[in-house]
Amino acid sequence: DAGVIQSPRHEVTEMGQEVTLRCKPISGHDYLFWYRQTMMRGLELLIYFNNNVPIDDSGMPEDRFSAKMPNASFSTLKIQPSEPRDSAVYFCASSLSRENTEAFFGQGTRLTVV
Amino acid sequence: GENVEQHPSTLSVQEGDSAVIKCTYSDSASNYFPWYKQELGKRPQLIIDIRSNVGEKKDQRIAVTLNKTAKHFSLHITETQPEDSAVYFCAAWDQGGKLIFGQGTELSVKP
Repeated sequence: DAGVIQSPRHEVTEMGQEVTLRCKPISGHDYLFWYRQTMMRGLELLIYFNNNVPIDDSGMPEDRFSAKMPNASFSTLKIQPSEPRDSAVYFCASSLSRENTEAFFGQGTRLTVV
Repeated sequence: GENVEQHPSTLSVQEGDSAVIKCTYSDSASNYFPWYKQELGKRPQLIIDIRSNVGEKKDQRIAVTLNKTAKHFSLHITETQPEDSAVYFCAAWDQGGKLIFGQGTELSVKP
């Protein structure tokens, strides 16, 4: 398996535009996590899914953020409209069906909103 | 929900010395505690983990200890090398399925 795949690797957009980040988890992994990393706030958990179902989205900062997982091999994180303070590295991670196993991270998407 | 506190935020040691990073967690039901290493510009990667039924685990130069009573766990790196320089994150995985990270420790190993 190629690991967790995220796209794009880099995204530069203007304030107010819609941004969509994509993630393909490792095949067979039932947990999928979205994290945001900034210098000030570290690695923040935004939302996680179990078997494609959103379980906890309490970390999503505002209604401008939304996430979906239409099937076991694909998830999106959307920001609409984007703001400069959304600039960060967004990581997707996945882990096996049973809890308490290693979470594998994608390479991340570096988002810059100007 | 779970909260993980990590200290120190930065740590500088001489090559060959030991480094210790400490974390506390709030949810007594948490039962899995991984440690991740993140090099500059790269993704976090697991270096060692410990489950709640174990007090200590070692893997070559790294070890992790867990005190469930105190809700405290630590990472120990011995004989540090320049390539150990990175940001280290502790995390706790609670029974609800949330994987929560500490704030990170930037370790610098000086040759």
